[in-house]
Amino acid sequence: DTAVSQTPKYLVTQMGNDKSIKCEQNLGHDTMYWYKQDSKKFLKIMFSYNNKELIINETVPNRFSPKSPDKAHLNLHINSLELGDSAVYFCASSHVLAHEQFFGPGTRLTVL
Amino acid sequence: AQKVTQAQTEISVVEKEDVTLDCVYETRDTTYYLFWYKQPPSGELVFLIRRNSFDEQNEISGRYSWNFQKSTSSFNFTITASQVVDSAVYFCALMNYGGSQGNLIFGKGTKLSVKP
Repeated sequence: DTAVSQTPKYLVTQMGNDKSIKCEQNLGHDTMYWYKQDSKKFLKIMFSYNNKELIINETVPNRFSPKSPDKAHLNLHINSLELGDSAVYFCASSHVLAHEQFFGPGTRLTVL
Repeated sequence: AQKVTQAQTEISVVEKEDVTLDCVYETRDTTYYLFWYKQPPSGELVFLIRRNSFDEQNEISGRYSWNFQKSTSSFNFTITASQVVDSAVYFCALMNYGGSQGNLIFGKGTKLSVKP
C-alpha cells in the first residue's frame, strides 16, 4: 500500500554515467515533484509537474531531465553524472499545488 | 524573497521533557502555507501539519502543538513529554500560493535527540 514509491533505493555509479530514478504514486494526485537533499540535509526543489506542465528550477543543470509518462509517474534522468550529484533524491506528490506533499522513501545516489 | 530559518541546529533533551522547535519565515505574499515535516533516522519525510496564512489558530495533535504568529512570522512546534521515538530532524517549510508551482521552501532543519 505504498503511497509514493521510488526505485532504486540506493544507486552507486561512476562519474560520467547516465542513470534514472523512477517514481510512482498511487494516491491519484495531480502534481509530482523532485527534491534533492544534500549531505547537510538541506532540501531543495528541483522540479514540479502539474497537469502536464513541467516547471523547471533554473538552478538545476540541464543534465537532469524529468519525464512523466502519465500522471502517476515522474522519472528523473541524469546524464553525465558528476561527483556533486551525490545526494538523496526525493519524489513527492500532492493533490493540488497548495496541498501537503507526500514523499517517497528517497534514493541515495553515490557518484564515484 | 522567501526564506525559512530554523536557528536551532541541534537540540538534545531527556525523555519526558517538553521541547520547542523554532521556525521563522520571510515572504512578501499575503497568502501562503506553512508546513512541518519529520525525518526520522530511517530517512523518510513524514508530513506533520499544514497551516494557511489566514488561520492563526493554534493546533494540537496529541503531544504535538503548533503556534502560528503572523506578527512575528513564526510557526513554532512544541513536543510535550518527549519520547525517544521523537528523535528526528524536523523541517519547517513555506509555500507561497501564487506562481510558486507548489514549491516547498525548506528550512535547514533541527535535529532533535531525545535521550532515555
